Amino acid sequence: EVQVLESGGGLVQPGGSLRLSCAASGFAFSTYAMNWVRQAPGKGLEWVSGISGSSGNTYYTDSVRGRFTISRDSSKNTLYLQMNSLRVEDTAVYYCAKSHYYDVSAYVDYWGQGTLVTVSS
Amino acid sequence: QSVLTQPPSASGTPGQRVTVSCSGSSSNIGTNTVNWYQQLPGTAPKLLIYSNNQRPSGVSDRFSGSKSGTSASLAISGLQSEDEADYYCAAWDDSLNGVVFGGGTKLTVL
Repeated sequence: EVQVLESGGGLVQPGGSLRLSCAASGFAFSTYAMNWVRQAPGKGLEWVSGISGSSGNTYYTDSVRGRFTISRDSSKNTLYLQMNSLRVEDTAVYYCAKSHYYDVSAYVDYWGQGTLVTVSS
Repeated sequence: QSVLTQPPSASGTPGQRVTVSCSGSSSNIGTNTVNWYQQLPGTAPKLLIYSNNQRPSGVSDRFSGSKSGTSASLAISGLQSEDEADYYCAAWDDSLNGVVFGGGTKLTVL
């Protein structure tokens, strides 16, 4: 059974940093692209970043490029999102999401339950 | 402002058929396939339709998808109370080099 489980969310001050983790199981982790998708309170879904399987190419939405870094450790079956220079508008539930293929352009077929990140002073 | 445009709300009575539209451009829907996600209240999104009109295993055949040009639609037939949820369309955007979502449509079963 495919499972992805996020952790690392919490309260952080503006300008601070946080690292999210996503533990994956039930599939060949290194083969598939992985993503982070966020949802601000009461708002819609926003794709944040993706990393391809095998090649490890990374992709970001404009609002986080240069501040967030996505990475993966296939020896630990874990996906990460390092978030620096956090802003109030980064407050959201962050979902870890598995793509159906090695390419980030493939559709997301499994989602985690999400972890809440709150940026506030 | 989302790249893909959806109506913010839709409604219907039990047993009715409702449709949700999703409008994009040549760099996303016009070139790539459309996927739909269902988000029940307080839960994570779930894949509902992929590659324009394919249903994952376990998804009711009451749900169907279609695409024409730079627009796509999700249809729900035989509406049930458990279909009350937010529905999102998504596609890869070749210009932005990322996934784009619609703003979501809140479906109410009257």
